[in-house]
Formats: sequence, structure tokens, C-alpha cells
Amino acid sequence: QQQVKQSPQSLIVQKGGISIINCAYENTAFDYFPWYQQFPGKGPALLIAIRPDVSEKKEGRFTISFNKSAKQFSLHIMDSQPGDSATYFCAAGYGGATNKLIFGTGTLLAVQP
Amino acid sequence: NAGVTQTPKFQVLKTGQSMTLQCAQDMNHEYMSWYRQDPGMGLRLIHYSVGAGITDQGEVPNGYNVSRSTTEDFPLRLLSAAPSQTSVYFCASGTGRILYEQYFGPGTRLTVT
Repeated sequence: QQQVKQSPQSLIVQKGGISIINCAYENTAFDYFPWYQQFPGKGPALLIAIRPDVSEKKEGRFTISFNKSAKQFSLHIMDSQPGDSATYFCAAGYGGATNKLIFGTGTLLAVQP
Repeated sequence: NAGVTQTPKFQVLKTGQSMTLQCAQDMNHEYMSWYRQDPGMGLRLIHYSVGAGITDQGEVPNGYNVSRSTTEDFPLRLLSAAPSQTSVYFCASGTGRILYEQYFGPGTRLTVT
């Protein structure tokens, strides 16, 4: 049973376009929603994160939108660049003392020049 | 700081063999975790630890053992390797001061024949 559902599985965007990746969750006990970026041959790295009491968080070209009632959150990459080509994972965390994360299945993003 | 280091980088095992994947961090992080990454499955939590001497199971613990005798080290033991354990394994560490931010190692690619 996948606790965090991520879509699409892959995405192709033209340079300068907007990349949008969506995630949905069921467990209302989740209290932290990070996005990780992974380049080939590397481990994932934290990109941006949001708490459920905030509807949107922006860091540079990356924005998380959060809809608590729908139990959905999404990553928007504005002005997408070829260097953004990577696999993106959404995740959800709960139980602050454990630092425990449940990941989505990942989205492979290719930004074409 | 070296961050999170993992050894070996690649490993091939025969079915039934045992081995230990090594993970070490030099950031004095309390939290350490092991994940496996499989195509289409994302990152799945195997075991995690909130401090030396404390470990707990994640989503897919069967066939794996862990121990945490020091803050720095968190080895993952495969007791009797099976082809289903062919995967890329990532170790991660984090601090409760920045909740849920986890630093990932470079991964170990394991093939079981």
C-alpha cells in the first residue's frame, strides 16, 4: 500500500517552461512534506519542504503548493532549466521524534534545451 | 566533513550469502536510516535509529538487521541474501534541529544472483 502517491512517473518540459509534479497522501498524521532531488548516481538531497499549516512555500524557482483538505501537495519548477533534469521525490513525515519519512515513487524530469 | 559515507559502492552476492553494508556519518547526527531504491517503487525505509542503542523497523525490514553501537555508525546486515534484495541501498542521517532533513550517502548498488 503506497502511502504517498506521486504523479506523473516521467515528465518532459521545454527550457523555460513550468514543471509540475503532484503528490497525494492518506494519513492525516503526516506533519511535514519535503521534496527531494536526485541526480543519476547520487543520493537524494532536500530541495524544499512545507508544513501543513502553510498553503504555499517558495524558494527561488521552486514552489510547493499544499491543499490540506484535499490531502494533496505539488512542486512547481518555474523557468525550468536543463540542469533541473533529475528525479524528484515527494515525501511525508510524521512522528517528529523519529525523523521518519515515507517517499513517493519518484518523477523523472527531463528539461529539453 | 565527509558527510555520510557508504561502503562498498558495488557488491555482487550469491543467493544465501551474508554481508554487511557499512554507513558512517561525521556530523554527530542522532537519526540514521536505511532505504532501498527500486525502479517504480521510490525509496522505502528498511530500518532507522533515533540514537545509539535504539533501532526500529521501517516499511520493509524483513531479511535485514541493524545495530547502532555508536552515534557515527549504522551498519545494515543481510542475513541470507535473496535475488529480491537486488537494489540500491541508501543510508541517511539527520538532526532533530531541522526536522526531517536527511542527508543521504552515495548509495551501494547490490546485485544478488
